[in-house]
Amino acid sequence: VLTQAPSVSVAPGQTARITCGVSKIGSKSVHWFQQRPGRAPVVVLYDDSDRPSGIPERFSGSNFGNTATLTISRVEAGDEADYYCQVWDNSSDHPVFGGGTKLTVL
Amino acid sequence: QVQLVESGGGLVKPGGSLRLSCGASGFPISDYYMNWIRQAPGKGLEWLSYINSDSSYIKFADSVKGRFTISRDNAKNSLHLQMDSLRAEDTAVYYCARTYGSGQPLDYWGQGTLVTVSS
Repeated sequence: VLTQAPSVSVAPGQTARITCGVSKIGSKSVHWFQQRPGRAPVVVLYDDSDRPSGIPERFSGSNFGNTATLTISRVEAGDEADYYCQVWDNSSDHPVFGGGTKLTVL
Repeated sequence: QVQLVESGGGLVKPGGSLRLSCGASGFPISDYYMNWIRQAPGKGLEWLSYINSDSSYIKFADSVKGRFTISRDNAKNSLHLQMDSLRAEDTAVYYCARTYGSGQPLDYWGQGTLVTVSS
C-alpha cells in the first residue's frame, strides 16, 4: 500500500511537496499523475523524476529509502488537482496506486 | 495524436452485465499492454486489469477476479472489458490506459466512461 497524505495546501509561488511512502520504495520506479476535477489522470513524472514533454520544469521528483516526493515549485492556481503516485508491484505483477493527495492552492 | 476513447458505460441493475470498449487511435495497441482502471465517486484510482500485447498474459485485481473479463482486438485497435455479476460497489468511472510493459507508466488514458450499478 502506497501512503499519501490526503491533502496539501500551499500559497501561490511557494513550493509544494507531495510524498508517497512504502518500505523500500527507493528500489522501485515511481510515476506521478495529476488529475484535475472531472478529467482523466495525466502523467507528470515517470521513473521517479523524468518529465514527459509538455510538463513544466517546475515539476520534479526524488525517490530514496521509504519515500518518493513530487515537488512542485512556484505553485500556480492551475496546479490545483489530485496527485497520485504509482509503482509496479513485482510480487503481484501489476500497477499499484497511492491513495492520492489533493493539492489546494490558497 | 494518441487517443483512447471509452464507451459502453451506463446504468445497470445489481447482478447485471455490461461490456465496455476502448477504441484507440494514433498508435497500434499491438505494441502495448492495455489496462482498465476505475475511480469510484470521490475516491482514488484502482487498477483493475491488464492484458499483454498478444493476449497471452492477463492479470486482474482481486476485487473483480472471476467477474470481469478483459480482451483485445489488435486488428480493430480496441480493448474490451466484460463485466458480469455487477455490484453497487462497482459504480465508478472506468478508464482504459496503455503501458509499454511491466514497470512502465500508464502514459495515455482515455476520458473515462461512467458505470452506475443501482436498482
